[in-house]
Amino acid sequence: GIQVEQSPPDLILQEGANSTLRCNFSDSVNNLQWFHQNPWGQLINLFYIPSGTKQNGRLSATTVATERYSLLYISSSQTTDSGVYFCAVEPGGNNRLAFGKGNQVVVIP
Amino acid sequence: NAGVMQNPRHLVRRRGQEARLRCSPMKGHSHVYWYRQLPEEGLKFMVYLQKENIIDESGMPKERFSAEFPKEGPSILRIQQVVRGDSAAYFCASSPSGRFGEQYFGPGTRLTVT
Repeated sequence: GIQVEQSPPDLILQEGANSTLRCNFSDSVNNLQWFHQNPWGQLINLFYIPSGTKQNGRLSATTVATERYSLLYISSSQTTDSGVYFCAVEPGGNNRLAFGKGNQVVVIP
Repeated sequence: NAGVMQNPRHLVRRRGQEARLRCSPMKGHSHVYWYRQLPEEGLKFMVYLQKENIIDESGMPKERFSAEFPKEGPSILRIQQVVRGDSAAYFCASSPSGRFGEQYFGPGTRLTVT
């Protein structure tokens, strides 16, 4: 099956810092989503971004489908950004998301 | 528009009992997916259903697990004769369209088997 690799696995940020999370995938995909799992375990949809660039407040994401990677940018990080960020992809035609292992982010005041 | 609803949020079962997890998709969504998050294994797909049909159950364990999405009412994930290894967070997602559609996740049910 498709491989989804996220880096870095762990990241500690000072409040106010910027960061970039990366997701590499091993095959072409028709759907790519970024999620934030907060400390309470809830999965929050951040972006649906099979290609191109999107922005939502302090977060933005870029997917370069032809090169099989996606980036999630966090700017001016806040303590509420702490948690695990997951990249998930849907390979062509199989209707199910394959998740990476996540980026564990801790933002310290 | 209410999001995906799951209940119960927390469920404790003794070994050998049955667990029933419920999922109500977002309004207007007819595609439901179940995923499981085991402590050291990450999030894994289990099953994909549409109303009254199981479309893909390739991620479901072959025994003790079953899922349904009836014409009326929520989708149900049923685990018979639970074992300690079934302890996990179970997430339901829904989408308005199947292929390539954005999936929206519920808050999850945390199952603990004692």
